[in-house]
Amino acid sequence: SQQGEEDPQALSIQEGENATMNCSYKTSINNLQWYRQNSGRGLVHLILIRSNEREKHSGRLRVTLDTSKKSSSLLITASRAADTASYFCATGESNFGNEKLTFGTGTRLTIIP
Amino acid sequence: EAQVTQNPRYLITVTGKKLTVTCSQNMNHEYMSWYRQDPGLGLRQIYYSMNVEVTDKGDVPEGYKVSRKEKRNFPLILESPSPNQTSLYFCASSPRLPPYEQYFGPGTRLTVT
Repeated sequence: SQQGEEDPQALSIQEGENATMNCSYKTSINNLQWYRQNSGRGLVHLILIRSNEREKHSGRLRVTLDTSKKSSSLLITASRAADTASYFCATGESNFGNEKLTFGTGTRLTIIP
Repeated sequence: EAQVTQNPRYLITVTGKKLTVTCSQNMNHEYMSWYRQDPGLGLRQIYYSMNVEVTDKGDVPEGYKVSRKEKRNFPLILESPSPNQTSLYFCASSPRLPPYEQYFGPGTRLTVT
């Protein structure tokens, strides 16, 4: 079953602008992660936020997590052409010894030079 | 170099011909997983393994088998491939449980005719 749903599905912005992507999920989680995928390639881990954290930063990335709303956002500041990629949220669940990571359908981000 | 490798990278086969996609990681990770990626559906987990000889079904296990006889290897077996298994497949590993940051292989593009 799909856990995370990203919004929007696609986003185009000018280079230098900020990009915000949102992720909503349905069940309790241990952590939420964001990944980047360049066309047809393997995913690359960007940042992980635990369920007891509200905000986390890594370079130009800022992630927030609101467990009461079951949602997260990824903000990329001062976007660059190299940020063009698909971005996925993934929720880590631990359920009776079953450890799963469930991915959303992704946001396709295009940075216009 | 720490990495996850998959072979083959590209494969075209015919319906019913058994095939194996290999996955190997050199990071001594406990957790390994297989995903398939299809347009509009994002990544869906096929099987995962929390350690040697411990495997469990993900969200779309039908038509697939896995084994984990050694910590570093996690092959994906399609006993009788069908056209609906045409997809892009990713293997991933993670150093800790529950799954934290995952390291992805480069992907295997499989076409079943």
